[in-house]
Amino acid sequence: DVVMTQTPVSLSVSLGGQVSISCRSSQSLVHNNGNTYLSWYLQKPGQSPQLLIYKVSNRFSGISDRFSGSGSGTDFTLKISRVEPDDLGVYYCGQGTQYPYTFGAGTKLELK
Amino acid sequence: AVQLVESGGGLVQPKESLKISCAASGFTFSNAAMYWVRQAPGKGLEWVARIRTKPNNYATYYADSVKGRFTISRDDSKSMVYLQMDNLKTEDTAMYYCTSYYGYSPFDYWGQGVMVTVSS
Repeated sequence: DVVMTQTPVSLSVSLGGQVSISCRSSQSLVHNNGNTYLSWYLQKPGQSPQLLIYKVSNRFSGISDRFSGSGSGTDFTLKISRVEPDDLGVYYCGQGTQYPYTFGAGTKLELK
Repeated sequence: AVQLVESGGGLVQPKESLKISCAASGFTFSNAAMYWVRQAPGKGLEWVARIRTKPNNYATYYADSVKGRFTISRDDSKSMVYLQMDNLKTEDTAMYYCTSYYGYSPFDYWGQGVMVTVSS
């Protein structure tokens, strides 16, 4: 199975600040079709996860440009700039390249 | 707007069965691969099952933890996806989310979830 390792486990940020979350996979996430199915999700308290970024760097419909994804192969990063109160929650990376599909353990973003 | 609405959760005893459902709307359901993802209380996300579309012969895939016990199915005429769960174990206790692959990536749209509790 592809193991997704997210760091850090938690982050404290001031409103208006910037944060980065790292996600590393134990195997390359490049699919046979050339796509890299690495996504980022945010789960706000008491809600279901929502897609933020797909295929490494593409923002999902309606997602602010304050969110950006980068990386390749096995090393990926989510950056959030100008953090707002609505950004707080748990962030997960996930891969949809190889079965079984797997997720990172999550990074909790809290206010400082 | 895309909507996924799960139903059918509840409390069951170990070794019992339960079938949960997901009603989809707001998109061409027959064109979307569908998934179930679960989240045990206080834990992270675990992919459970996938069903592809008719052109892909409705192929199904399962996590090892549920293979042989769970069955995913779909009814395109009703825009519904189901998860039949047999021989339930206490470790199957979780919130179960219905999610899709509709043009963006696996798990692009999510339902609100349905709770399944397995306990004696």
